[in-house]
Amino acid sequence: EVVLTQSPATLSLSPGERATLSCRASQSVDYNHIAWYQQKPGQPPKLLVYRASSRAYGIPDRFSGSGSGTEFTLTISRLEPEDFAVYYCQQYGTFLPYTFGQGTRLEIQ
Amino acid sequence: QLQLHQSGPGLVRPSETLPLTCTVSGASIYNSGYFWNLIRQSPGKGLEWIGHIPNSGAIAYNPSLKSRVTISVDSSKNQFSLRLSSVTAADTAVYYCVVYFGEPLRDFWAQGTLVTVSS
Repeated sequence: EVVLTQSPATLSLSPGERATLSCRASQSVDYNHIAWYQQKPGQPPKLLVYRASSRAYGIPDRFSGSGSGTEFTLTISRLEPEDFAVYYCQQYGTFLPYTFGQGTRLEIQ
Repeated sequence: QLQLHQSGPGLVRPSETLPLTCTVSGASIYNSGYFWNLIRQSPGKGLEWIGHIPNSGAIAYNPSLKSRVTISVDSSKNQFSLRLSSVTAADTAVYYCVVYFGEPLRDFWAQGTLVTVSS
């Protein structure tokens, strides 16, 4: 099983700042099949990025993903008030099961 | 317009079977390019992928659950279903039906069902 480790666990920033979230895989993820999700309280997760760097449908361009192999990053260029939430990475590579990281909580400083 | 509605009990007794049904409207389960998934979320284990129905080939399961999980499709009702047997308190979670489709990819989650395993 591919274990995903997200860091930091909590990130405290202010609106307008840049956020950088990390996701490290225990082994190389095939085809860079990494996705990022945003989850707000009481809602299901929402897909932001897939294939490590492709933005999902309707996602603003302040969200960007990068990385390859075992190291992946989600960057939010300028934080908006609605961006404060929990973020998860997921791998959906060749080997089952697909797995999720434990999440990074992005909170208002 | 795609809609995904899930139904299932909120309470299941230990050792019994958890049933969950996902009813699809606005698309056919056998439409090419749609990927139907079941995911659960619990405070203790976080997000956990249960299984999916691919466009072709066999239904895929999380190996840690495979001995207890069955995902099936009823094409006449445009539904897919989960059955999780021999449940314990560790199976208490919010269960979601999820579909991925399109380019760029998008996701659509049903409303979620909180299933509590308790006597």
